[in-house]
Amino acid sequence: EAQVTQNPRYLITVTGKKLTVTCSQNMNHEYMSWYRQDPGLGLRQIYYSMNVEVTDKGDVPEGYKVSRKEKRNFPLILESPSPNQTSLYFCASSSRMGVVKLFFGSGTQLSVL
Amino acid sequence: GIQVEQSPPDLILQEGANSTLRCNFSDSVNNLQWFHQNPWGQLINLFYIPSGTKQNGRLSATTVATERYSLLYISSSQTTDSGVYFCAVPRAGGTSYGKLTFGQGTILTVHP
Repeated sequence: EAQVTQNPRYLITVTGKKLTVTCSQNMNHEYMSWYRQDPGLGLRQIYYSMNVEVTDKGDVPEGYKVSRKEKRNFPLILESPSPNQTSLYFCASSSRMGVVKLFFGSGTQLSVL
Repeated sequence: GIQVEQSPPDLILQEGANSTLRCNFSDSVNNLQWFHQNPWGQLINLFYIPSGTKQNGRLSATTVATERYSLLYISSSQTTDSGVYFCAVPRAGGTSYGKLTFGQGTILTVHP
């Protein structure tokens, strides 16, 4: 089954404790991206990647890191999480050719205390 | 960057009613997508529709690229249609699909 898999689904952590949210897709998509969703602010793009070893900032990249060492994986890293990073996070992927439809993972609800 | 506005912000319907959601964007684009976020938070791609009209069951979408708007039609609404509907376009216009900008969404509630 074609899918984007995010883990974990829920995460509670404390300020300053490094964490990684994993994202994997099985559709051989070149493009992958991370979004955060906050009440009243909608979906905002954090980082995106057009292919392996190619990443770029979205609208709200501060406090986040990403890497794209393999085509299928695109982890989101919070080196020193802060309470303002409490949010619902989504990973997404799409092909770069033809019908460029975006497929989303199930989301990760992160709470930073 | 491109501006995306969706209307109405909220919509309440009785089951069986029809509705039209609108997405206006401020620059020409070659990629426009509609998404549905269900009450459990899952985001599903409904349409990839940079221009023209597409239909999928009770849902259809039309994009008039020259006038910079897109419409999502929901006919014979069901309670399972409830949720938030988003449109998204490339942030810097046509070719920059890597940076997608989402509208603020339309919250749809369908009552039985």
